Amino acid sequence: NAGVTQTPKFQVLKTGQSMTLQCAQDMNHEYMSWYRQDPGMGLRLIHYSVGAGITDQGEVPNGYNVSRSTTEDFPLRLLSAAPSQTSVYFCASSRRASYNEQFFGPGTRLTVL
Amino acid sequence: AQTVTQSQPEMSVQEAETVTLSCTYDTSESDYYLFWYKQPPSRQMILVIRQEAYKQQNATENRFSVNFQKAAKSFSLKISDSQLGDAAMYFCAYRSAGGATNKLIFGTGTLLAVQP
Repeated sequence: NAGVTQTPKFQVLKTGQSMTLQCAQDMNHEYMSWYRQDPGMGLRLIHYSVGAGITDQGEVPNGYNVSRSTTEDFPLRLLSAAPSQTSVYFCASSRRASYNEQFFGPGTRLTVL
Repeated sequence: AQTVTQSQPEMSVQEAETVTLSCTYDTSESDYYLFWYKQPPSRQMILVIRQEAYKQQNATENRFSVNFQKAAKSFSLKISDSQLGDAAMYFCAYRSAGGATNKLIFGTGTLLAVQP
């Protein structure tokens, strides 16, 4: 099993550009989430999905879109990048029940100039 | 809304010694889960230990153990016989037992240095 994979590992964008961060998992997990990590703030939830075709907003959703057409994939789209979106982005997945461990991808470091 | 507080931005410990990282949380829920995650310089998030709120017994995983005080809403992590590989950022996290989000609420982290 590859676990949770994310691409790219690093990305530099200019203000106003759009891009998609890819996330895939091969563990047949129902739950998938996107977090962003900023210095001194821990990880914060952007969007999450409880299954294919179902997504919802987390704590900091503005400026991001998600979709979940398959169980395996959960891409995060930045519509018009802003410097405030400079961050490290983590994708995570888990089985449905709350006690289950969330598995994290290796992260994507995004810089918006 | 639930919150998680880690009041120690940085800690240092000598190799082979014991260190305790603090975490407090605020919630009105009675059933929930608490986690400690380790983030080494590689950036990978690694689950260290997990505690179910309905269990009074403190969780242990090899050299890692927790002191879970439900009434005080405290969840500290003790690392015994510290090793150089324990140097990392440690995050405390909370998850509700109910609901549909499976959302983790993180503290701001404690950066642990291990001195040889």
